[in-house]
Amino acid sequence: GESVGLHLPTLSVQEGDNSIINCAYSNSASDYFIWYKQESGKGPQFIIDIRSNMDKRQGQRVTVLLNKTVKHLSLQIAATQPGDSAVYFCAENRGSTLGRLYFGRGTQLTVWP
Amino acid sequence: DVKVTQSSRYLVKRTGEKVFLECVQDMDHENMFWYRQDPGLGLRLIYFSYDVKMKEKGDIPEGYSVSREKKERFSLILESASTNQTSMYLCASSPFDRGTDNEQFFGPGTRLTVL
Repeated sequence: GESVGLHLPTLSVQEGDNSIINCAYSNSASDYFIWYKQESGKGPQFIIDIRSNMDKRQGQRVTVLLNKTVKHLSLQIAATQPGDSAVYFCAENRGSTLGRLYFGRGTQLTVWP
Repeated sequence: DVKVTQSSRYLVKRTGEKVFLECVQDMDHENMFWYRQDPGLGLRLIYFSYDVKMKEKGDIPEGYSVSREKKERFSLILESASTNQTSMYLCASSPFDRGTDNEQFFGPGTRLTVL
């Protein structure tokens, strides 16, 4: 399934399926992007990041794709598991030199058996 | 592992009280941040600090102040708590390396209720 993070805040997928969470960013000056996962009752945890000189980066079961032409970022989770159920946030730096990040509103991913 | 701790997980205060939220990080990070998180609004930056005694306003600083007297500690102060400050407050820290970008490490959050 797919979800645009800023417009469809929920995504439900079946265990074992691949998940795609999308994020549209706004600022052409952004050259660094991060995905965070936030489980219920916890602070956000880093998943994966990507710099603007790349268009794809892979981690363990996760892939981030960056399309600078249309200012679009996506997080792909392979073989989604119940433990992946959480809110996922994308963040961009908007060219900040002070370490600031600007967060999207988040997408709630629910994995059902 | 980086550890960011916050003084309370849950806090209940009354309108008009002065409230202190404390955050401590153990990795000698230069940058520290305070966010509030409300349903549907994501994380909004209140204040941040890139060095001891330095502070910068974020996007929603009204009604808040901060203090950074030591590198490892960053305090958020609600001078006179109001009900619209009921929220989840998240602290984060990151190293400051000019020319590179670094992830922020978050604490577990403090859920503040103002009655």
